Amino acid sequence: EIVMTQSPATLSVSPGERATLSCRASQSVSSNLAWYQQKPGQAPRLLIYGASTRATGIPARFSGSGSGTEFTLTISSLQSEDFAVYYCQQYNNWPPSYTFGQGTKLEIK
Amino acid sequence: QVQLVQSGAEVKKPGSSVKVSCKASGGTFSSYAISWVRQAPGQGLEWMGGIIPIFGTANYAQKFQGRVTITTDESTSTAYMELSSLRSEDTAVYYCARGLIQTYYDILTGYTRYWYFDLWGRGTLVTVSS
Repeated sequence: EIVMTQSPATLSVSPGERATLSCRASQSVSSNLAWYQQKPGQAPRLLIYGASTRATGIPARFSGSGSGTEFTLTISSLQSEDFAVYYCQQYNNWPPSYTFGQGTKLEIK
Repeated sequence: QVQLVQSGAEVKKPGSSVKVSCKASGGTFSSYAISWVRQAPGQGLEWMGGIIPIFGTANYAQKFQGRVTITTDESTSTAYMELSSLRSEDTAVYYCARGLIQTYYDILTGYTRYWYFDLWGRGTLVTVSS
C-alpha cells in the first residue's frame, strides 16, 4: 500500500498570507495526485488533480506542484473561506488501491 | 447538473450489515467509476473500494476485503455499498464519489485505468451501537 504523509498536521496562517502544504508518497505516484478541501460537516471538494490541474471553478490562488513522491499545494493569498482541512490522495494503482494523506488543518492565525 | 444523492442515516447493531445507496440525480454513471470513502468521527478519509459500472467488477481496499460489497444498477444509475459484520469502529460517514476514468494502454502491460474523485455525495452517517 502506498502511504501518503502530509505535513504539517496543522498550519496557522493569517488571512492574505501564503500557505504551503506538503504531501509525500512512500513510492512514486507519477502525477496521479489530487488535493481535496473539506469544511466541517461537508463532503470533500476536489481542488487539484494530475498534481497541478485546477478543477472546474477552483480559484487561481490554489496551485499544485510536484511529481513522483513530493507534492505541494499552495494557496497564494488566504481568504476566510480557505480555512479548512486539506487532503492529498494518490490514484496511481491499477487495479485501484487508493490512499489519502491524514490531512492538514489550515487554521486562522 | 449531476448530483450524487445518498440514502439516509442508519443505526445498526454490532454484527449486522448495512447497505447504503448513491443515486446519480440528473445524469448517469456512463464513463465514470464510483468509489466509496468513509470518515470516522474526527478522522481522515479512507478509501474502501470502487467499481466501474460498465465493467461491473469491483475492487476493494485490503482492509475491507470480505466485508464490503460494491454494486451498481445502471438502469437506475444507483450504486450500493454493503458492509457486513459491523463493529463499533465502523461508525462513520460513508461517502460515494464519482471519478472520470482515464484509460491508458501499454503494449506490455495492457490497459490501466485511473480516476480521481470529482463529485461527492453528501455522506451517510452509519452508527454501530448495541
